[in-house]
Amino acid sequence: RKEVEQDPGPFNVPEGATVAFNCTYSNSASQSFFWYRQDCRKEPKLLMSVYSSGNEDGRFTAQLNRASQYISLLIRDSKLSDSATYLCVVEYGNKLVFGAGTILRVKS
Amino acid sequence: EAGVVQSPRYKIIEKKQPVAFWCNPISGHNTLYWYRQNLGQGPELLIRYENEEAVDDSQLPKDRFSAERLKGVDSTLKIQPAELGDSAVYLCASSSTGGDTQYFGPGTRLTVL
Repeated sequence: RKEVEQDPGPFNVPEGATVAFNCTYSNSASQSFFWYRQDCRKEPKLLMSVYSSGNEDGRFTAQLNRASQYISLLIRDSKLSDSATYLCVVEYGNKLVFGAGTILRVKS
Repeated sequence: EAGVVQSPRYKIIEKKQPVAFWCNPISGHNTLYWYRQNLGQGPELLIRYENEEAVDDSQLPKDRFSAERLKGVDSTLKIQPAELGDSAVYLCASSSTGGDTQYFGPGTRLTVL
């Protein structure tokens, strides 16, 4: 079983749609959680951290369920510029473990 | 502020040849990471440095890979000899000590023929 599992997609959605990505992790000792965004042939960039209480940054909302070892990312009012790969990332022991990513394509 | 710098951006070599990648982290960042990213996968950690000390190299294939960060600033990752399966993007990242956020460089895309 992979340490961090994501649906690879692609998710093809129209502009303005709401889309949600899910991620599960296997190590219950994981301490910190993140979503990174990676554009085609570019480096990953931090999108947002994920907190147990849930957190929101504009159109993006992240949720963490420690009991189920499950992380989610919700994007509202999708823009063309949101098209990218979204990487679920889990940290334990000062080490980041990346999922394989979920591809999002937003179309006009 | 300058980000993480990596060179070269692209490298094409024949198998069994040596290759080296260079990384200069963000100024003041004591922690430096080397990752390998295969197509369709997330980055996988190869080695982590705290200043000049390699504190986690458990995923580094030591038979052919080596790394150094002699003065605790820039770093070099070497492969000798390269194999076809080493074709990937090699990413360098840095963070401040105790900091959560890792900042990635643009990567070196290696193709082994």
